[in-house]
Amino acid sequence: GQQLNQSPQSMFIQEGEDVSMNCTSSSIFNTWLWYKQEPGEGPVLLIALYKAGELTSNGRLTAQFGITRKDSFLNISASIPSDVGIYFCAGENAGGTSYGKLTFGQGTILTVHP
Amino acid sequence: DAGVTQSPTHLIKTRGQQVTLRCSPKSGHDTVSWYQQALGQGPQFIFQYYEEEERQRGNFPDRFSGHQFPNYSSELNVNALLLGDSALYLCASSPWVSGANVLTFGAGSRLTVL
Repeated sequence: GQQLNQSPQSMFIQEGEDVSMNCTSSSIFNTWLWYKQEPGEGPVLLIALYKAGELTSNGRLTAQFGITRKDSFLNISASIPSDVGIYFCAGENAGGTSYGKLTFGQGTILTVHP
Repeated sequence: DAGVTQSPTHLIKTRGQQVTLRCSPKSGHDTVSWYQQALGQGPQFIFQYYEEEERQRGNFPDRFSGHQFPNYSSELNVNALLLGDSALYLCASSPWVSGANVLTFGAGSRLTVL
């Protein structure tokens, strides 16, 4: 099935460093979302973006909805050990009665060394 | 307030068998979506149920079927299991016709097919 192209696949960083990951698609989405998944858990929503060009922050996290509506990035500033997990981008074309059908990227595995 | 609950958490089946997975949505949610997450991949949308009817479907064969009950809980059935059906099966719930920002995922049922 279709998936978004997410990069990098994995990152190994030192505590305190900044992190950047991005996601591209061949199709347009009207909503972009970023999730975090930890072992034994389902994905948890971090940030939702609804408008092309939108830049949204959630604490140390910042995400942007690309102007072409085909890409998005997520930045994490001053990483801490609890940032460890798998980060997924997802796109949705919500409208009419079509909601909740998300297309996910392959994920970025983040490891933070203390 | 209980979130999305899924059962069983783990199960092992052999090729050709059939499996049923269960999901109870978050309180106040009436729509249930199912996703398949293969190891090292992002979740892929299987289908969505509302008012006991399948409303949207992803690119999955007819071996994958579902059901929603009047209390909004849902089942995912997979017939004639293949080795490639081994995955984490995630249930997500939301109110009908709502944005992905309120989509809540369960912890999943991990299916191993031998």
